[in-house]
Amino acid sequence: AQRVTQPEKLLSVFKGAPVELKCNYSYSGSPELFWYVQYSRQRLQLLLRHISRESIKGFTADLNKGETSFHLKKPFAQEEDSAMYYCARKNGSGYALNFGKGTSLLVTP
Amino acid sequence: KAGVTQTPRYLIKTRGQQVTLSCSPISGHRSVSWYQQTPGQGLQFLFEYFSETQRNKGNFPGRFSGRQFSNSRSEMNVSTLELGDSALYLCASSLPTSLGETQYFGPGTRLLVL
Repeated sequence: AQRVTQPEKLLSVFKGAPVELKCNYSYSGSPELFWYVQYSRQRLQLLLRHISRESIKGFTADLNKGETSFHLKKPFAQEEDSAMYYCARKNGSGYALNFGKGTSLLVTP
Repeated sequence: KAGVTQTPRYLIKTRGQQVTLSCSPISGHRSVSWYQQTPGQGLQFLFEYFSETQRNKGNFPGRFSGRQFSNSRSEMNVSTLELGDSALYLCASSLPTSLGETQYFGPGTRLLVL
């Protein structure tokens, strides 16, 4: 199975502090990896994908094939970053995704 | 464009009943995926449809089924409901782009089985 593991259920940081949300995946070929975010009372939405190597809302994520990781990072956390973050991996040949169990990020003032 | 819509938003059923949930994708999207979200298991993939054909299937019992219509709208059905089927059921539609596909999620249907 193409597993995605997010070891932290909850991560609490102070505003302005760096934040790193961990994601590890089971090795299998060339994975397509994503980070999704769900703000309170909003829909699940795509934050970024590894293939585009983009920075969204100050977040970046680098695929490390040696460590089979795709950690999400932001140098200075903001209160509005508080949300549930899911790491996901494309499953098979279609558009299906395998999700990690999510990390709840709480940024306190 | 209007986002992915799901109906109904909330549903209460009793054990043994069956239920049908509906999903309307974003116009032009041909792929629809279904997920089950529970506090214990998180987001689990149910199945994916593309052009009326099931393309991928998750590890769920046969009580869970789905279909897609020619207008890309999709339904999922759960027969002989069990208490453990209580969950938020999310639908997502996808469109391929030059960077790969992006899944757009609906608000979900919250199912409570009593």
